[in-house]
Amino acid sequence: AQSVTQLDSQVPVFEEAPVELRCNYSSSVSVYLFWYVQYPNQGLQLLLKYLSGSTLVKGINGFEAEFNKSQTSFHLRKPSVHISDTAEYFCAVTLSRGSGNQFYFGTGTSLTVIP
Amino acid sequence: NAGVMQNPRHLVRRRGQEARLRCSPMKGHSHVYWYRQLPEEGLKFMVYLQKENIIDESGMPKERFSAEFPKEGPSILRIQQVVRGDSAAYFCASSPGLPTDTQYFGPGTRLTVL
Repeated sequence: AQSVTQLDSQVPVFEEAPVELRCNYSSSVSVYLFWYVQYPNQGLQLLLKYLSGSTLVKGINGFEAEFNKSQTSFHLRKPSVHISDTAEYFCAVTLSRGSGNQFYFGTGTSLTVIP
Repeated sequence: NAGVMQNPRHLVRRRGQEARLRCSPMKGHSHVYWYRQLPEEGLKFMVYLQKENIIDESGMPKERFSAEFPKEGPSILRIQQVVRGDSAAYFCASSPGLPTDTQYFGPGTRLTVL
């Protein structure tokens, strides 16, 4: 079963417009949620993560995400995008089970910011 | 504080040869993860190691692939008798080891099998 689903493979958006990148997860066990960004020809770097507590998480570069347990979602948002935000964005889940931890990444969303 | 190092950055092999990919974790990190990224696909977990111990290799193909993280030196992902389908970007990440820890990624090794 797919543990992380990113519904949009490509999202074009005009500069200074808002953007939302969607992520849904499927699990009933303890989850830790992450968003990573990958710039061209680079490795991934963390944008933000949800571990517990406040469901609204703020990250770097003006991004934020909201953990919604009832909808099993962790959508990423930014109120005004910049050209430099053009990159691949990955939602990730760590499932913490008694038998150990498991790691899942979504298929990625390619964000293109149009001048 | 150096980040996660991977080498080589690019590796070209002919079918049937062996590929060795190296990963040096961040200082102080004792856990290493290997992922494969195929075109048009996300990252697929392969294996999770601690020093001298494989914790989870559920994502590793059963044949030709192996990984190690010795007491001294980098973690090695080894692919024997490579085939064209092995062409991909292979990323290594490291963390201190808790499930809540951020994984810090290296720049990746792009393997091309001719």
